[in-house]
Amino acid sequence: AIRMTQSPSSLSASTGDRVTITCRASQGISSYLAWYQQKPGKAPKLLIYAASTLQSGVPSRFSGSGSGTDFTLTISCLQSEDFATYYCQQYYSYPQTFGQGTKVEIK
Amino acid sequence: QVQLQESGPGLVKPSQTLSLTCTVSGGSISSGSYYWSWIRQPAGKGLEWIGRIYTSGSTNYNPSLKSRVTISVDTSKNQFSLKLSSVTAADTAVYYCARGIPVRIVGAFYYFDYWGQGTLVTVSS
Repeated sequence: AIRMTQSPSSLSASTGDRVTITCRASQGISSYLAWYQQKPGKAPKLLIYAASTLQSGVPSRFSGSGSGTDFTLTISCLQSEDFATYYCQQYYSYPQTFGQGTKVEIK
Repeated sequence: QVQLQESGPGLVKPSQTLSLTCTVSGGSISSGSYYWSWIRQPAGKGLEWIGRIYTSGSTNYNPSLKSRVTISVDTSKNQFSLKLSSVTAADTAVYYCARGIPVRIVGAFYYFDYWGQGTLVTVSS
């Protein structure tokens, strides 16, 4: 199985900050990568697919980049509603796998 | 707006079979080319893909669970179901059903755009 490693595991940031989360795949996955946001007690919400395509309705402050093995999720100007845990997911090969998550907390 | 809703027992005894159903509303489970999937999340941990089914009945399962998992679909009820046999405490988790959007005809090339709210299943005697 392809291992997905996110860094950092957690971070503290303030409203208005620019935040970057990294996801690394143990082997190349082209651009078959999605990002999800999960708030406590809720289901994950799709933010980005194909590494950089914003899902309909997702604010433009979210952006994704990368291909191959290294990917990033950037939140350009952190808002209060963005404090959550973020997961990357590879859908290049079975079994599909997720990163361990990055928790974005209020500083 | 498509909605998914999981249902089933919240408590299952060790060695028994966990059974969950996902009811899809706001659209036919047979329309479009979607992969209907199950994903679980132990408390405080990450997400694990369990498996998926296409409306034709074709399935793919996570090799780590394959010997114990069966996913089926009932298009007349707009539902798909999960059975996980011989459960242990390690199977305690929130179980989600989700809709997969394929980007290629075959393979693992799909991401999840709609999710159910999740249901907690505890394995305990």
